[in-house]
Amino acid sequence: EDQVTQSPEALRLQEGESSSLNCSYTVSGLRGLFWYRQDPGKGPEFLFTLYSAGEEKEKERLKATLTKKESFLHITAPKPEDSATYLCAVLHYNTDKLIFGTGTRLQVFP
Amino acid sequence: GAVVSQHPSWVICKSGTSVKIECRSLDFQATTMFWYRQFPKQSLMLMATSNEGSKATYEQGVEKDKFLINHASLTLSTLTVTSAHPEDSSFYICSARGDPGQGIGTDTQYFGPGTRLTVL
Repeated sequence: EDQVTQSPEALRLQEGESSSLNCSYTVSGLRGLFWYRQDPGKGPEFLFTLYSAGEEKEKERLKATLTKKESFLHITAPKPEDSATYLCAVLHYNTDKLIFGTGTRLQVFP
Repeated sequence: GAVVSQHPSWVICKSGTSVKIECRSLDFQATTMFWYRQFPKQSLMLMATSNEGSKATYEQGVEKDKFLINHASLTLSTLTVTSAHPEDSSFYICSARGDPGQGIGTDTQYFGPGTRLTVL
């Protein structure tokens, strides 16, 4: 069964304190892995798509990486405005459906 | 690019009434749109996949007659919650996947801002 597990569930960081969020996945045929950011009361905002092991994508203070079993979202020198829930999702090769993890709730304090 | 809107952003209705939620892709065409439901502090639950010009495909456990989906054009899909009851109160989010050749990810789902439905 296809499954996505994110850890930690919640993360509190001091402003400037870099860290990583983990997304472990089990899928029989990975077509793509997606990272989204979701603010309270809003829809998810697209961040990255990764397609193959070894691939990396960067955007401002965020960097996403992919291996055959997991993906990491690295946050470098975070700011309070980076506080949000970060969602990971995988797309199976043969379906249209995204399988979401339960998210990591990030809080960055000044 | 790849902006999706939803209307309304929130709605309060009485039990037994019907509510329509619109989802529009503003700057791209989307043959396929998706409807999700999200409960507090939980992840997104796919309700149905909507394809332009054809019937929606519903996930197991989702009542087709209660959640009517129409995808009339390449930029508009609607979700109608019929005879709404308090247990239908939730956060409804749509997403759209761009057709090839538009300069955006063809596998990527772009999400709308969501609609908060409260049924009294």
